[in-house]
Amino acid sequence: GEEVAQTPKHLVRGEGQKAKLYCAPIKGHSYVFWYQQVLKNEFKFLISFQNENVFDETGMPKERFSAKCLPNSPCSLEIQATKLEDSAVYFCASSQSVRVSSNQPQHFGDGTRLSIL
Amino acid sequence: GESVGLHLPTLSVQEGDNSIINCAYSNSASDYFIWYKQESGKGPQFIIDIRSNMDKRQGQRVTVLLNKTVKHLSLQIAATQPGDSAVYFCAETHQGGKLIFGQGTELSVKP
Repeated sequence: GEEVAQTPKHLVRGEGQKAKLYCAPIKGHSYVFWYQQVLKNEFKFLISFQNENVFDETGMPKERFSAKCLPNSPCSLEIQATKLEDSAVYFCASSQSVRVSSNQPQHFGDGTRLSIL
Repeated sequence: GESVGLHLPTLSVQEGDNSIINCAYSNSASDYFIWYKQESGKGPQFIIDIRSNMDKRQGQRVTVLLNKTVKHLSLQIAATQPGDSAVYFCAETHQGGKLIFGQGTELSVKP
């Protein structure tokens, strides 16, 4: 598609439950990035993929968080045993190239709002 | 005016006035910077970019200024319109293409 599609728009989970978020990048984009935005403010980089391969996972919490991008499937971000502090909006972005430019910017989806109760 | 603490810095301007939004970045080795606009319930939207070998770049109604000496970026919006109301973020690119975002500024345009 022509847009980064994230589902669901809003996900509510009880503390300790699992949460799984999905992202369909723009067709033809090889790179996928996940960011976490807390309280409408700072974005925190989590992980990036080049096609189905992890490209940079330096931002991923060492526990409970995992992500995948499998061929012919939306990418996913999964959080096991969710905690209150996981409440945030999770954004996915895709790009054609790892080198961002005005011709090849990172295109963002509209995010999934995760609420942990 | 501005607010501090856990609240976003805010800038309130009258429709038709010019707006200036500032940002400090952290990595002196960064070579590419972007301004994003985020409307409520939406993802960041690319506005304008600048490479580190430039100190000014102009777009339609927007200008970005880069001061590498003090690691400072600014976004100028001419003739601000109600549709410009949003949160604005600067971002710098790091190795591997990941974006490091600065603190946002909420722009409110009064009609």
